[in-house]
This record gives sequence, C-alpha cells and structure tokens, in this order.
Amino acid sequence: SQQGEEDPQALSIQEGENATMNCSYKTSINNLQWYRQNSGRGLVHLILIRSNEREKHSGRLRVTLDTSKKSSSLLITASRAADTASYFCATDGYDYKLSFGAGTTVTVRA
Amino acid sequence: NAGVTQTPKFQVLKTGQSMTLQCAQDMNHNSMYWYRQDPGMGLRLIYYSASEGTTDKGEVPNGYNVSRLNKREFSLRLESAAPSQTSVYFCASTDRNYGYTFGSGTRLTVV
Repeated sequence: SQQGEEDPQALSIQEGENATMNCSYKTSINNLQWYRQNSGRGLVHLILIRSNEREKHSGRLRVTLDTSKKSSSLLITASRAADTASYFCATDGYDYKLSFGAGTTVTVRA
Repeated sequence: NAGVTQTPKFQVLKTGQSMTLQCAQDMNHNSMYWYRQDPGMGLRLIYYSASEGTTDKGEVPNGYNVSRLNKREFSLRLESAAPSQTSVYFCASTDRNYGYTFGSGTRLTVV
C-alpha cells in the first residue's frame, strides 16, 4: 500500500492564483519530498523537508510539515501555465524506500 | 549531462518474452531504485539497491529480477512478460541527502 495520500486528486485554478495541495502519511518518516511530473515525462524533485523541519521555501514553493498530524502541504504561489502538471508527495522512511502517493493533477488556466 | 539514463525508451513485448531494462547514473549515488507507474497512480517500488552489492524487494517485486552490476548500473529483468506488466518503468538514484533523480522512463507494452 502507498504511504502518502494527496488531496485533492485534481485542482483547476486561474493563472496568478495560488494552488495548495495536501499530503497525509501513515508511519514515521526521515523526510518528505515533493515531485512534479509533466505529462509523459519523468519526475522532477521540487523540495525535501526533513522530519525536524516545519516549513521550507524554494522560489514560489512553500512546504509545511506537521509530524504530529502526519501531514504536509505544498503551496505554489502566483501560478503559471507551466505549473500544469501532476504533483506527488513521497515519504522517505528509515528503510531506504521512497513511497509515493497517487498525486494531485493541477491545471492552470490562462 | 549528469543524471539517470534509461534504455530503451519504448518496448513492445509478446506475452512470455523476456527483456532487461537498463539504468545507469553518473552522480556517484549509492542507492538506486526501480518503480512502475500505472495510469492515474503514483509510483510503486519494484526493487531497490541501497548500496552496491545489495538488492531488496519493494512493494511489487513478483515477476521481476534485478542486478546491481556496479555502482553506476542497476538493471531490471522481466523473465516472462505478462500483460499485467504493461506500465511505465522509472529508474531513480539518490545519495539520500537530497531528492531522488529519475530517468525519463521506459514505456513497456506487453501484448
């Protein structure tokens, strides 16, 4: 079974708006990572947040982590058409395995 | 360019045929992974190699075998392909301090 679950499954927003997606997981983690996948392409690493961190920023991306609730969120600010993609959270436990959720499909409308 | 290289990019097999998917990384990463992705789903781990000389089963290992040939290369073999193995296969590597680097994928169809 997959460790992480993203919510919502799909998100449609207007260009310039913010997009927020959430990830919940089940067991303790070493770190949590977010990836982007454009249609028909491989996954691209966006950001990694360690279990002792609560918030991290990278450009227009902001990730939060609440280990007490076993949840994380990814915020994309001022979205662009190029942000249209699927976004996956992945949890890295202490067992060398990275487990993925089913992803959130984001569509940014011009 | 540094990264993970997968070959082939596309493959069509008949049921019962065998094939090997190749993966190589040039980032001196210790850990390498094989995932499969089915439509509308996230990635599921098939096998992984935490370091050179070791391999372990992931979530969906049945029907697959792997070989960690050296630190750079990690291959995935389908001994007798089945239609259920139709999928997109991704190889990845990491040093575990940063994120994983993924290859561009192999689209496999078993007819």
